[in-house]
Amino acid sequence: NAGVTQTPKFQVLKTGQSMTLQCAQDMNHNSMYWYRQDPGMGLRLIYYSASEGTTDKGEVPNGYNVSRLNKREFSLRLESAAPSQTSVYFCASMGGGWLEQYFGPGTRLTVT
Amino acid sequence: GQQLNQSPQSMFIQEGEDVSMNCTSSSIFNTWLWYKQDPGEGPVLLIALYKAGELTSNGRLTAQFGITRKDSFLNISASIPSDVGIYFCAGLNYGGSQGNLIFGKGTKLSVKP
Repeated sequence: NAGVTQTPKFQVLKTGQSMTLQCAQDMNHNSMYWYRQDPGMGLRLIYYSASEGTTDKGEVPNGYNVSRLNKREFSLRLESAAPSQTSVYFCASMGGGWLEQYFGPGTRLTVT
Repeated sequence: GQQLNQSPQSMFIQEGEDVSMNCTSSSIFNTWLWYKQDPGEGPVLLIALYKAGELTSNGRLTAQFGITRKDSFLNISASIPSDVGIYFCAGLNYGGSQGNLIFGKGTKLSVKP
């Protein structure tokens, strides 16, 4: 039981490049989330998926797209990276309630 | 948008001391959550609160859902070195979907030099 896994752990991109951040959970959770965390800030929701086949925008969706590939996997895509997207990205999943919410270890992304 | 004010921003602890921190909001929330984040890791949920006045403990941690529904408090008793980290509060308002969780900016706990 690995919980929530994220790949890659670190990534450096040049402005304009694209990439996909991968997230997978093995807890059979319906809900999955993508957050970003900037220095000295709390987490801000980018997108979430309440169940397989559905996705919704969060607080800061601009510049991102997501895919809920199946119940296990929820990916985040940056089509044209910008320096403002330099951040730490966390994926989370949630089961029956908030006490069943778990975060992944994060992806540290730098856009130059 | 909505904001949570979390205080203090940072504090130093000496082993054995009690620690208090709080979160306030201009809006009413129907759920308050408290998380701890260790360096290089994702947040871990510590306590969830669901109704005004609720007091919930998790070991040496105690959190309360404020009676006005606009604030919450977290206390750590008899702190130990592994309590060091960043503590975040988060709130969910009435009618909000599970995607509308708002996070505070965190309280950073460090060991007194």
